[in-house]
Amino acid sequence: AQSVAQPEDQVNVAEGNPLTVKCTYSVSGNPYLFWYVQYPNRGLQFLLKYITGDNLVKGSYGFEAEFNKSQTSFHLKKPSALVSDSALYFCAVRPSGNTPLVFGKGTRLSVIA
Amino acid sequence: DAGVIQSPRHEVTEMGQEVTLRCKPISGHDYLFWYRQTMMRGLELLIYFNNNVPIDDSGMPEDRFSAKMPNASFSTLKIQPSEPRDSAVYFCASSLLGTDTQYFGPGTRLTVL
Repeated sequence: AQSVAQPEDQVNVAEGNPLTVKCTYSVSGNPYLFWYVQYPNRGLQFLLKYITGDNLVKGSYGFEAEFNKSQTSFHLKKPSALVSDSALYFCAVRPSGNTPLVFGKGTRLSVIA
Repeated sequence: DAGVIQSPRHEVTEMGQEVTLRCKPISGHDYLFWYRQTMMRGLELLIYFNNNVPIDDSGMPEDRFSAKMPNASFSTLKIQPSEPRDSAVYFCASSLLGTDTQYFGPGTRLTVL
């Protein structure tokens, strides 16, 4: 069965420092991988996705994610964190086809000024 | 496009009352998803529809929950009777066949007293 693991409940980073939010997946076949962000009292917002092609995917708000097939990982990164990046981040996976996303439990990112 | 619209944004009710949550997906999208989010259980998929037909309702917690999609632009999630443990934020999301991204509404925060 497909699954997603976000090993960290909370990530703290100082403003201006690079940030990484980790995600590993388990899925048969070629995965479609996603990152979503949820700000307080808001719905989830799409950040970026990987389907095929370049392993480094660029998304909204300066975020990027690197697909690593051998490590079955899809970590979210940003070179320089902003306080406004503080939010709940979800990794999600879906096997090929239009089946529902499987979401991780989320990682709370706190960027400290 | 206005995005996915949900109403009401907040609902406070007493145990035993019927609650109806509403969702208008993005025009042209043919998949609609209902999720529930709580601190304890994270984000859970309750049910999803394709072309107004329920495809998988295995996530619906019990018979007190029901969902309908009478047409392509409207869906409801009903809880009858409601219980305090149903308190959560309920999200609706929609997507378009052939693309992968789900777009989430702002959510309905339900409090059952």
